Amino acid sequence: DGGITQSPKYLFRKEGQNVTLSCEQNLNHDAMYWYRQDPGQGLRLIYYSQIVNDFQKGDIAEGYSVSREKKESFPLTVTSAQKNPTAFYLCASHSRGKHQPQHFGDGTRLSIL
Amino acid sequence: AQSVTQLGSHVSVSEGALVLLRCNYSSSVPPYLFWYVQYPNQGLQLLLKYTTGATLVKGINGFEAEFKKSETSFHLTKPSAHMSDAAEYFCAVTLASGNTPLVFGKGTRLSVIA
Repeated sequence: DGGITQSPKYLFRKEGQNVTLSCEQNLNHDAMYWYRQDPGQGLRLIYYSQIVNDFQKGDIAEGYSVSREKKESFPLTVTSAQKNPTAFYLCASHSRGKHQPQHFGDGTRLSIL
Repeated sequence: AQSVTQLGSHVSVSEGALVLLRCNYSSSVPPYLFWYVQYPNQGLQLLLKYTTGATLVKGINGFEAEFKKSETSFHLTKPSAHMSDAAEYFCAVTLASGNTPLVFGKGTRLSVIA
């Protein structure tokens, strides 16, 4: 079955540590997105990529970095500069065309040790 | 820039009662509108979408929404709530033209009381 796989499901970060969240899709989608979800805040866009080797900052990019070296993969690194990283992170993708709905992974929950 | 307002962060209904979740959008150009549902510790699933054409849109699980341009609204309804409808619901908007990504509302948590 095609879909989006996020790993790990739970992740713990120590102070001063960078951690990388994985997002892989086998839907042959061009566009991929990273969102952060906090209670009562909805989904806030961190980064998005509409084509390989290109990506744009979203509303809350500070303290995060991404890469898009392959169409299937869009990893997110939470750097030590992100002072409040505890949240639920969601990856999404969609095929070409803005009317196409986004498909979501099941998320990664990041906590601070 | 476009934006979405979902009225009511928490809505509670009795099983079998009408479900009405409100969404108002702000957009200077024709929008594309979406409703998504999220169950605990999962990603979002598409319920329905409006792009062009008929303004009453039917989705999965008996949900429907009506695009009302004059009211800038896209409210989600279901005639009879079921216990399995308890979840969080998100309205989202993007512009029909240009390169702007999807903007989500803050969500409405639906509780269904037996």
